[in-house]
Amino acid sequence: AQSVTQLGSHVSVSEGALVLLRCNYSSSVPPYLFWYVQYPNQGLQLLLKYTSAATLVKGINGFEAEFKKSETSFHLTKPSAHMSDAAEYFCAVSEKTGANNLFFGTGTRLTVIP
Amino acid sequence: DAGITQSPRHKVTETGTPVTLRCHQTENHRYMYWYRQDPGHGLRLIHYSYGVKDTDKGEVSDGYSVSRSKTEDFLLTLESATSSQTSVYFCATWTGTYEQYFGPGTRLTVT
Repeated sequence: AQSVTQLGSHVSVSEGALVLLRCNYSSSVPPYLFWYVQYPNQGLQLLLKYTSAATLVKGINGFEAEFKKSETSFHLTKPSAHMSDAAEYFCAVSEKTGANNLFFGTGTRLTVIP
Repeated sequence: DAGITQSPRHKVTETGTPVTLRCHQTENHRYMYWYRQDPGHGLRLIHYSYGVKDTDKGEVSDGYSVSRSKTEDFLLTLESATSSQTSVYFCATWTGTYEQYFGPGTRLTVT
């Protein structure tokens, strides 16, 4: 069975500082991994995805994530935070077969301090 | 944007009343999903559909039913709403490759 753990329900960074949001997964098979972002009162937007190609994945808005199998991690980073990055971020893992059901972490709310 | 709309966007209802939420997509995606989002839980799968009239349960299906009579529409019904079903409900579709696409959500309050 798949599961996702996001460490830190709230993360605050200063504008211009490094953003690091942590995600660890458990999966009985090599997974697909995703980061989604949710702005207030909106749906979820895909930031980036890992689908077993390159382990360093680049996404939209300057975000990237690295798949580390040995650590079962898929942490999200951005070198320099912008005020517009303030949102909630969800890590998710999916089954590669069948109905592709997604299993989400509990989310990390990112606050950017001016 | 996978052309997903949800209706209503907001609803307040009383305990014990039936409620139906609608998800409509314009992309002809085969798979559709209903999730609920609650603080501290992230999103959890309620039900999903893999074709017209083909549905299956997710992680938190108790108290919910679904129907899909057309490819483009996926309905979620709360037969008798309870306060524990106060939540934000998201519909999603899957193209069959990797990611799922999400609708804007429906905020349901059960009083």
